[in-house]
This record gives sequence, C-alpha cells and structure tokens, in this order.
Amino acid sequence: EDQVTQSPEALRLQEGESSSLNCSYTVSGLRGLFWYRQDPGKGPEFLFTLYSAGEEKEKERLKATLTKKESFLHITAPKPEDSATYLCAVQARIQGAQKLVFGQGTRLTINP
Amino acid sequence: ETGVTQTPRHLVMGMTNKKSLKCEQHLGHNAMYWYKQSAKKPLELMFVYNFKEQTENNSVPSRFSPECPNSSHLFLHLHTLQPEDSALYLCASSQTGLEADTQYFGPGTRLTVL
Repeated sequence: EDQVTQSPEALRLQEGESSSLNCSYTVSGLRGLFWYRQDPGKGPEFLFTLYSAGEEKEKERLKATLTKKESFLHITAPKPEDSATYLCAVQARIQGAQKLVFGQGTRLTINP
Repeated sequence: ETGVTQTPRHLVMGMTNKKSLKCEQHLGHNAMYWYKQSAKKPLELMFVYNFKEQTENNSVPSRFSPECPNSSHLFLHLHTLQPEDSALYLCASSQTGLEADTQYFGPGTRLTVL
C-alpha cells in the first residue's frame, strides 16, 4: 500500500535554531514529491516539487532534498513566521489514476 | 480574485439540511479536486474532475455529490450528513491533472454537522 509518513509529528525550535523535517514514502511509480505549508484555518500553500533522487530546491530559509525513500525539508535559521504545519505528498499512479497521497504533517513552532 | 476561492468559509448544518460548497479557480486550470481534512488525519482525496469530467470518486458516500459545470467552477452538494463529516473541505486545481501536476489549494470551508 502506498504510504507517506512524516516525522516528527511536532517540533518546537528557538528562533535561529536550524533543523530538518522528514518525509518517508513507500509508493510504486513515484511521479513527484510535493511540500506544502499550511497555516491554521487555511489551505495548503505550495512550496516545492521534487521529481528524482538527488534533486534539491531552495526557497528563502527552506531547502528540500529527495532520495529514493525519503525527503527532507531543511529549515535554516528559522523565524517565528515559519511556524506552520508542513505537509509532504507524493504523486503516484494508483490503479491507473494519478493520485496525491499526503502525510499527516509536521507541526513546526518557532519561539522568538 | 486570484488563485482558488471557496465559499462559504464556515458552515454549520444539521443532519437533515441540504447545503452546497462552492469553489472557483482563476488560474486557467483544467483539473479540479475536492479533499477532506479531518483532525489528526492526512488529507483525503474525494473527487477529481478533468476537463469537466469526473475521473475519480474515492469511495465517497452518496451524501456527498459533486458538480463541475465548467473548468473554473466546482460544487460539493451536501445532504443528510453525519457528525463525523465535520471537517475542513478543501478545493484544489491543477493545469491538467496529469503526472506531477502541481495542485493549488483554496482556503477551505470549515464544516460543522450538528
């Protein structure tokens, strides 16, 4: 069964304290891996798409990397405004249809 | 308006009511999606429309009825819901619904069923 597991479930950091969020996946026929940010009461906001192992993408304090089994979202010197839930999703072909399979998310809190 | 919009943002309904959720995308996309997000659970895909044709129904109960009159608009008609249907309902759109197509989400409708 195609699965996406994110860890940790929640993470508290001090402002400026760098860390990484993990997204492990088991899926046949990976077509792409997506990272989204979701603020409370809002819809997910697109951050990155990664297509193949070894690929990296950066945006401000965030950097996403991909291997054959997992992806990391590295956050460097975070600020309080980076507090949000970060969602990972993989797009796979399941029973002939393209589907986005989401993890449960990592709730990140950055304390000033 | 830009991006993906959803109305209403909040909805409270009784189990015998009939209501509809509306989604509109201003991105020129051809695929639209309904997702359900419950507390402590991953987003669950409900329906997919590609060029106005329903291409996916993820075993959703018949008390949820989608409608896609054109590529820009998507509705979710609700009737005789259960309290466990309370959740955040998210609409998304993408260019074509094909491989590795990025989906863009609306702000969601927070539904409470009493």
